[in-house]
Order: sequence, then C-alpha cells, then structure tokens
Amino acid sequence: EAGVAQSPRYKIIEKRQSVAFWCNPISGHATLYWYQQILGQGPKLLIQFQNNGVVDDSQLPKDRFSAERLKGVDSTLKIQPAKLEDSAVYLCASSLRGQVNTGELFFGEGSRLTVL
Amino acid sequence: AQSVTQLGSHVSVSEGALVLLRCNYSSSVPPYLFWYVQYPNQGLQLLLKYTTGATLVKGINGFEAEFKKSETSFHLTKPSAHMSDAAEYFCAVSDPPSNTGKLIFGQGTTLQVKP
Repeated sequence: EAGVAQSPRYKIIEKRQSVAFWCNPISGHATLYWYQQILGQGPKLLIQFQNNGVVDDSQLPKDRFSAERLKGVDSTLKIQPAKLEDSAVYLCASSLRGQVNTGELFFGEGSRLTVL
Repeated sequence: AQSVTQLGSHVSVSEGALVLLRCNYSSSVPPYLFWYVQYPNQGLQLLLKYTTGATLVKGINGFEAEFKKSETSFHLTKPSAHMSDAAEYFCAVSDPPSNTGKLIFGQGTTLQVKP
C-alpha cells in the first residue's frame, strides 16, 4: 500500500515570496490533515479536511495561508506572502473515516521550508 | 484546553539500558493517548496507542506505555535500548468527545543511544 506522498521535499524561498505544497493521501482515506512542525517543537495542526470539507482551521493563519482539497483526494497548502517564522516542516497526514475517533494518523515525510 | 508535556527534550541511554520517556497530559475527560516516533527525514509513525480497556499497552519494536489516570501520565518504556531506537518521540492526546481525530502533540524528546 502506498503511503502519504508529499512534494516538494525541500523548498528555499525569500520572505514575501509564495510557495505551495502538495499532498496525496493514502487511497480511501477520507480525512486529511496539515501540520506545521517548527524546529524543536511538536507538530501543530493547521487544517483538517473530511473529504473536501474543512473540519478545523482554527490555527491556520488565514491572512497568508490557504489550503484546498478539491474532489476530496489530494490537497494543496499555499503560503503567500511567506514570513521568516514560516520556516518549518509541513506534514501531511491522513486517516480512514472509521478511525477518525482513534487518532491513528499516517504521515508523509514532510516538506521542509526555509524562508530567507 | 488539552495539552501535553514531555519531560526532557533530550534523553541519552546506553545500548541495553532501560528507556523511559515521560509524558503528562491535561484533559477534562479521559483522553486517547499516543506515542509517535520520527526517524531523521521521515514522517511520524505510530508506536502505540491507548483508547479504552487495558491501561498497559504494547507497541512496535518492544515499546510499551502505561496509562495512569491518577497521575495524568502516559510514560513510554523499553527494557533494553537498541541503537536503532535513536529517534525523536512525540506523545500526543486526542479528545474523544470531539471525535475528529485531531491530535495535540508534545514538544518531543530526542532519544540518543550510546554504544
């Protein structure tokens, strides 16, 4: 079974530029999450989708971050304009609908963003 | 609000020694609890979880954890460390009533295993 796919793995941009990250979850997983992991900290949830609807985006900085999950499969996370403090690893995770309440998430390898 | 505290950002043990990684949580209701492991340049992988039932749970690679409600703890242990256990470990909590699967993570503990 293929795992969660993310791209690009690494990205370096200058502040005020824009960047987009892509995620393809495990086939059949209805729930998709984007987490931000800053160096030395645990992952923090940015947004959660159930199929193509948003379940939780309370910690997404909506003035600069946006995310979409068209057709309920893959998802894109965009940052525009980027700030220095956005330097982090962006983790995508997915889970089966039936496992939503057990919290078992399957993570991709992450996209590491460096903002200069 | 739920929170997770991992005591010690770095833990160093000798190969063959006991591994003990500490996790305390705060939650208004009995939570679901998890330990995830992250190897360098890889995503997080579930080690074990507690939802209901037996409070001592066993996971992969010889790890186990015990849910102690009175101490609000979920410490991770392994009797004998192996070099391949070197990684970062995250404790996480999920609030069952919300039923969304949202996880709140601790800040992580880096485990170093010395030969």
